[in-house]
Amino acid sequence: NAGVTQTPKFQVLKTGQSMTLQCAQDMNHEYMSWYRQDPGMGLRLIHYSVGAGITDQGEVPNGYNVSRSTTEDFPLRLLSAAPSQTSVYFCASSFREMNTEAFFGQGTRLTVV
Amino acid sequence: LAKTTQPISMDSYEGQEVNITCSHNNIATNDYITWYQQFPSQGPRFIIQGYKTKVTNEVASLFIPADRKSSTLSLPRVSLSDTAVYYCLVTNNAGNMLTFGGGTRLMVKP
Repeated sequence: NAGVTQTPKFQVLKTGQSMTLQCAQDMNHEYMSWYRQDPGMGLRLIHYSVGAGITDQGEVPNGYNVSRSTTEDFPLRLLSAAPSQTSVYFCASSFREMNTEAFFGQGTRLTVV
Repeated sequence: LAKTTQPISMDSYEGQEVNITCSHNNIATNDYITWYQQFPSQGPRFIIQGYKTKVTNEVASLFIPADRKSSTLSLPRVSLSDTAVYYCLVTNNAGNMLTFGGGTRLMVKP
């Protein structure tokens, strides 16, 4: 079972570059979300989606865009990378509300220089 | 969602029982207590969830007193591989996403 798959695992960007972090799940989950985790900190919510075509902002959405055209995929776009976006990014999904078990991907470690 | 407070770090030795307490004074009637475990360089993993009294699974037990203002995650006979960060979260079915605090960094020593 693949679960939640994130690509790439590592990425180095130059300031001002844009890129898309990919997230795919094969569990037919409705809820998907993106978090970032800075060193020694807990995870902070960036954007989330409660179903295809529906997205909303989390705690730290600035500098990021998302879309949810299919149930399976929830890409995160960095519009113009900044050093402050250096972090580890995790994608998560759950069947319905987040009171059910959430499954996390392995993370994407992003460095912006 | 109610804010949670838990110790920043704990040390233990192999074979011991570890209890991590979490405070959630403002927990609402519809809220549950959910614990996640995170190993270095990995995403968090669901451990256990409860509403009141005691819940036990193959990994841990969760104790919740009647007033539900706190909860205790109990890990029986820990091993080195239980070294991880443990997050206590308040969750519900109202459409809220997961809110993580700083977690408790558990170090298990030989």
